[in-house]
Amino acid sequence: KAGVTQTPRYLIKTRGQQVTLSCSPISGHRSVSWYQQTPGQGLQFLFEYFSETQRNKGNFPGRFSGRQFSNSRSEMNVSTLELGDSALYLCASSSKVGGVNTEAFFGQGTRLTVV
Amino acid sequence: DQQVKQNSPSLSVQEGRISILNCDYTNSMFDYFLWYKKYPAEGPTFLISISSIKDKNEDGRFTVFLNKSAKHLSLHIVPSQPGDSAVYFCAATGAGGTSYGKLTFGQGTILTVHP
Repeated sequence: KAGVTQTPRYLIKTRGQQVTLSCSPISGHRSVSWYQQTPGQGLQFLFEYFSETQRNKGNFPGRFSGRQFSNSRSEMNVSTLELGDSALYLCASSSKVGGVNTEAFFGQGTRLTVV
Repeated sequence: DQQVKQNSPSLSVQEGRISILNCDYTNSMFDYFLWYKKYPAEGPTFLISISSIKDKNEDGRFTVFLNKSAKHLSLHIVPSQPGDSAVYFCAATGAGGTSYGKLTFGQGTILTVHP
């Protein structure tokens, strides 16, 4: 079974631009979550999608958004990029249905650098 | 408001000995706990988990202990191997809408196993 796939692996963007990151979950997994990892803040939850609906959202500004398609693939978008958005963005998928996420499997991440 | 804390930023252990990584949490709504291992620029890899209805779970060289009254869990690795050298994250989740797809992570502990 293929794992969680994130594309691209690396991105360099300029302040003010926008960026779209993609995540393909493990086949059969319907829950997709996004996290931001920075040296100062650690791993922070961005949002979670299940069956094309956002079910949960972390404490991030509205510049961070996402969506999920009918095949469970997900994208996240960051608009008006700031230097502080430089981070490793991780996607995780889970097969659990309902309120509790148990084992979440992570992709390799997308390293975003904003210059 | 750090709800999951790993107070030891680093741990150094000799090959063959036991590694004990600790984690404390403050949110009594957490009822499922996970440990992940992470290498730089890669996504976290799931190691082992434990439900709050248990106090111990074993998987090969890895054992997780949960002390609910103390809101404390620990990961034991026996015997430790050089390939175990990585960053270890403790994570927690709970039931209910605010927990959908959301893992709350500790700051991580860097484990170094010396040959």
